[in-house]
Amino acid sequence: QVQLQESGPGLVKPSQTLSLTCSVSGGSVSSKSYGWSWIRQPAGKALEWIGRIYSGESANYNPSLKSRVTISVDTSKNQFSLNLNSVTAADTAVYYCAIQGRAGYGSESPGGFDPWGQGTLVTVSS
Amino acid sequence: QSALTQPPSASGSPGQSVTISCTGTSSDVGAYKYVSWYQQHPGKAPKLMIYEVSKRPSGVPDRFSGAKSGNTASLTVSGLQAEDEADYYCSSYAGSNIPYVFGTGTKVTVL
Repeated sequence: QVQLQESGPGLVKPSQTLSLTCSVSGGSVSSKSYGWSWIRQPAGKALEWIGRIYSGESANYNPSLKSRVTISVDTSKNQFSLNLNSVTAADTAVYYCAIQGRAGYGSESPGGFDPWGQGTLVTVSS
Repeated sequence: QSALTQPPSASGSPGQSVTISCTGTSSDVGAYKYVSWYQQHPGKAPKLMIYEVSKRPSGVPDRFSGAKSGNTASLTVSGLQAEDEADYYCSSYAGSNIPYVFGTGTKVTVL
């Protein structure tokens, strides 16, 4: 059973870069069956898809964040990462990493996000 | 890319059924079978309840069912139980340029 765990600073200053890592256990980030994904949720608000990457391929991003976001995979550490630059208070949220099942690649739930990490709160404040 | 539209709230008594709608467009919900539903309890990560419109992952009770008609998907919870009280979100694949979009969320209350 694949498990995910987010890590990174809980406080980031405005205009700086938010950097988070998702450690993967029970599975390999080299697998092409999954989209390694980031999703966020401001307090009391809805989920927002940030982006995802398939191992060995280019990432796809939410157009509203595309100019500021980078998602990458580190196969040597079996983890994937999120970088969001030029942050403002509007980027304050709980950030989740999740696995998106990939259609046609034998995943258990194509198009669904499962499992999720426990989430990590990132606050943007000076 | 706009969020999918869900009613803010829904409620039912124990044992009753509640249905939540998720309205998108012909570019997302109406175009693809990759509609999924998530249950989120306060302070917890979302949990996948339905994928590919109507399929249940292993371990999800058959009280949860999904359907789609045109640009609107729906989640029905039958035989409501106290533990079903939670926020529910839908999600849909929306094409290669904007892969995924989530719904606005619905709070389900068990009366």
